[in-house]
Amino acid sequence: AQSVTQLDSQVPVFEEAPVELRCNYSSSVSVYLFWYVQYPNQGLQLLLKYLSGSTLVKGINGFEAEFNKSQTSFHLRKPSVHISDTAEYFCAVTTYSSASKIIFGSGTRLSIRP
Amino acid sequence: EPEVTQTPSHQVTQMGQEVILRCVPISNHLYFYWYRQILGQKVEFLVSFYNNEISEKSEIFDDQFSVERPDGSNFTLKIRSTKLEDSAMYFCASSEEKSYNEQFFGPGTRLTVL
Repeated sequence: AQSVTQLDSQVPVFEEAPVELRCNYSSSVSVYLFWYVQYPNQGLQLLLKYLSGSTLVKGINGFEAEFNKSQTSFHLRKPSVHISDTAEYFCAVTTYSSASKIIFGSGTRLSIRP
Repeated sequence: EPEVTQTPSHQVTQMGQEVILRCVPISNHLYFYWYRQILGQKVEFLVSFYNNEISEKSEIFDDQFSVERPDGSNFTLKIRSTKLEDSAMYFCASSEEKSYNEQFFGPGTRLTVL
């Protein structure tokens, strides 16, 4: 079975500062990894995904994430955040054998201070 | 831009009543999903649906739950006899292919069971 751990439930940062949201996963088979963002009162939107190939994945809104197989991590980064990045961020995993469902982490609430 | 829509946005019901949550997936998508998020908890997979049948379901999806695609556009989740613990945000999602391609999520229906 797969699982996802997001180590920080909340991350406060100042506007224009860099941010890293941490994600670790557990799986006995190869995985596909995702980051979703949920803005207040909205659904989940895909930020980026790792399927194969380059371990550095770039997504929308200036976010990127790096897949590290040896550390089983998929941390999300942005070099300079904006007030509009305030949202809940979910790391998620699926596998080829069970590519019907996505397993989500518990989420990290990113709050941006002016 | 095509999007997944869900109705109603908020449903309040009495314990023991039946509820039907409705979703209109993106028109050319073939895979459909329901997830739920209990307040303050993870987004959890409930069920996936393809070719007019359930392709995978979680332990949460017991006999009280059912899904249906009654016509070419709607995808519904029925809870036969609601319990207090069914109170949650329910998200519908759809994808062109299996979930390692992008699942597009709707805005959710907040179900409150009294």
